[in-house]
Amino acid sequence: NAGVTQTPKFQVLKTGQSMTLQCAQDMNHNSMYWYRQDPGMGLRLIYYSASEGTTDKGEVPNGYNVSRLNKREFSLRLESAAPSQTSVYFCASSQAGSNQPQHFGDGTRLSIL
Amino acid sequence: AQSVTQPDIHITVSEGASLELRCNYSYGATPYLFWYVQSPGQGLQLLLKYFSGDTLVQGIKGFEAEFKRSQSSFNLRKPSVHWSDAAEYFCAVGAINYGGSQGNLIFGKGTKLSVKP
Repeated sequence: NAGVTQTPKFQVLKTGQSMTLQCAQDMNHNSMYWYRQDPGMGLRLIYYSASEGTTDKGEVPNGYNVSRLNKREFSLRLESAAPSQTSVYFCASSQAGSNQPQHFGDGTRLSIL
Repeated sequence: AQSVTQPDIHITVSEGASLELRCNYSYGATPYLFWYVQSPGQGLQLLLKYFSGDTLVQGIKGFEAEFKRSQSSFNLRKPSVHWSDAAEYFCAVGAINYGGSQGNLIFGKGTKLSVKP
């Protein structure tokens, strides 16, 4: 009954370091998403994958890369972390289609010093 | 472009009082609308959704929402608030062609609900 699992839950990085956030879902969903949440900004879409083998940019993709490893897994990579990327990152998954609700993980809280 | 506005950043209500959280959307066609709740330190949980048909939809935890096309609104209501309802609430619209692809949600900035004993 796991749903969407994100690892790690917390991380502190130094400016310039790289890191990969992991996300896995066990609901056989086609679509997966990465969001960042900042105070007063709501959730903003970074990248999404409508189906296995495809990825597309969202609203705020700069400084990030993604990999849809297989149907279950969708990772987010920060190649050279910057303090502006300090945020809470959420992964979500859904069946394909804009009428489908998204299911969220518990988030990764990332601080960049 | 699609957008969602939640006019109230923070609302405080007394336990047992009624609640209404406002949501206005901008969308060219009939929207798919959602309300999510986020407890501190947690991810987002779906409360309810509207696709078509009956404009009053029931959700979990005693919440309901009413779709009003003429006002482009989808307000969330609860008749009697419990202390455990203190959380942040997000309204979202399902976007058909965000960036040219399907299946994305546009979120409002959220309304934080505090409950007084």
